[in-house]
Amino acid sequence: QVQLVESGGGVVQPGRSLRLSCAASGFTFRNFGMHWVRQAPGKGLEWVAVIWYDGSEQSYVESVKGRFTVSRDNSKNTVDLLMNSLRVEDTAVYYCARDSGFYGAGTLDNWGQGNLVAVSS
Amino acid sequence: QSVLTQPPSVSGAPGQRVTISCTGNSTNIGAGYDVHWYQQFPGTAPKLIIFAFTNRPLGVPERFSGSKSGTSASLAISGLQAEDEAEYYCQSYDNSLTVFGTGTRVTVL
Repeated sequence: QVQLVESGGGVVQPGRSLRLSCAASGFTFRNFGMHWVRQAPGKGLEWVAVIWYDGSEQSYVESVKGRFTVSRDNSKNTVDLLMNSLRVEDTAVYYCARDSGFYGAGTLDNWGQGNLVAVSS
Repeated sequence: QSVLTQPPSVSGAPGQRVTISCTGNSTNIGAGYDVHWYQQFPGTAPKLIIFAFTNRPLGVPERFSGSKSGTSASLAISGLQAEDEAEYYCQSYDNSLTVFGTGTRVTVL
């Protein structure tokens, strides 16, 4: 069955960097777009970023553009989110999720368990 | 502030029918993009329960149904059960980006 396992979260000071990773199994990873979605404590879901099946295109929510970078390694079945210049307002549980298609314009049909990133001095 | 608006909360007694609206505009639902629905229990990841307005993934109970009307979509839960108490989110596409609704808390009285 489809499995997505995130890692790399933790507590970090404002302005520092953190890399999240998501390991995928149970499906042909290279055939699916992948998303990152976050949820601040007590708040709703916020879409963060998407990367196409082949890694050729990425898109971001405005609030993280220029600070976050999504990448993937189809040989290792992993997708990463590099977060630079972290802010207190980036504190959230971060989920990776599989798109139903190649280009990240479909439904998010499988989700990881989530990983907490806490930005605090 | 999300471009997809949902009521903050809805409630109903066991066995009743409740509906959750997801109101968009001409750049998302009105532009022809699909709407999908997710259920989330506290401390857990969201789960897809309706895709492309009306379709249920395997294993989702028939009491969950979806519909579309103009620039809005709706999720209905018929025969409400205690285990349906959760947060529900709609999701669509807007200006080439994925967007989520504001979320609705369903309470079973």
